[in-house]
Amino acid sequence: DAGVIQSPRHEVTEMGQEVTLRCKPISGHDYLFWYRQTMMRGLELLIYFNNNVPIDDSGMPEDRFSAKMPNASFSTLKIQPSEPRDSAVYFCASSEGFGGARGNEQFFGPGTRLTVL
Amino acid sequence: SQQGEEDPQALSIQEGENATMNCSYKTSINNLQWYRQNSGRGLVHLILIRSNEREKHSGRLRVTLDTSKKSSSLLITASRAADTASYFCAPVYRGYSTLTFGKGTMLLVSP
Repeated sequence: DAGVIQSPRHEVTEMGQEVTLRCKPISGHDYLFWYRQTMMRGLELLIYFNNNVPIDDSGMPEDRFSAKMPNASFSTLKIQPSEPRDSAVYFCASSEGFGGARGNEQFFGPGTRLTVL
Repeated sequence: SQQGEEDPQALSIQEGENATMNCSYKTSINNLQWYRQNSGRGLVHLILIRSNEREKHSGRLRVTLDTSKKSSSLLITASRAADTASYFCAPVYRGYSTLTFGKGTMLLVSP
């Protein structure tokens, strides 16, 4: 398996623009997580899905952030409009969940480095 | 906050030395996991220890868990320059499906 795939790897945009981050989880994983990492706040969980259904979005900072998972192999995180304080590295991760052989070990993608000017 | 807290925040050692990182957490856990992050990369799972386990080994890694003190430690023996990375503990609290990451320990291993 190729692991968790994220695109783009780098994104530079101007304030006010819409940004869409993409993630393909590992096949067979039931859980998908979106994280944001900054020096100041560390690694924050934004939202997670179980079987394509959003379970907890309490970490989403504002209504400008939205996430979807239309099927088991694809998820998006959208920021509209973007602001400079959204600059961070955004990670997607997936896991089998407690019932799987690997338990709830999470597999992380390489991340998307977002810079909002 | 329910996140695990790693100690120390930074650690600098020479190759061949052992590195010990500690983690404290808040309430009862299902398990506790350790992850490594190399600069500019995603996190990589190292080891998982369940709440009924006290010690676990994987290669040069040794993890201990003391549920009475709500703490865990990660020992890397005979460290190498390639071990230079940030290390995070992530407790999985009872009743939750998610990991809660701390700020991590930055380990620098000098040749």
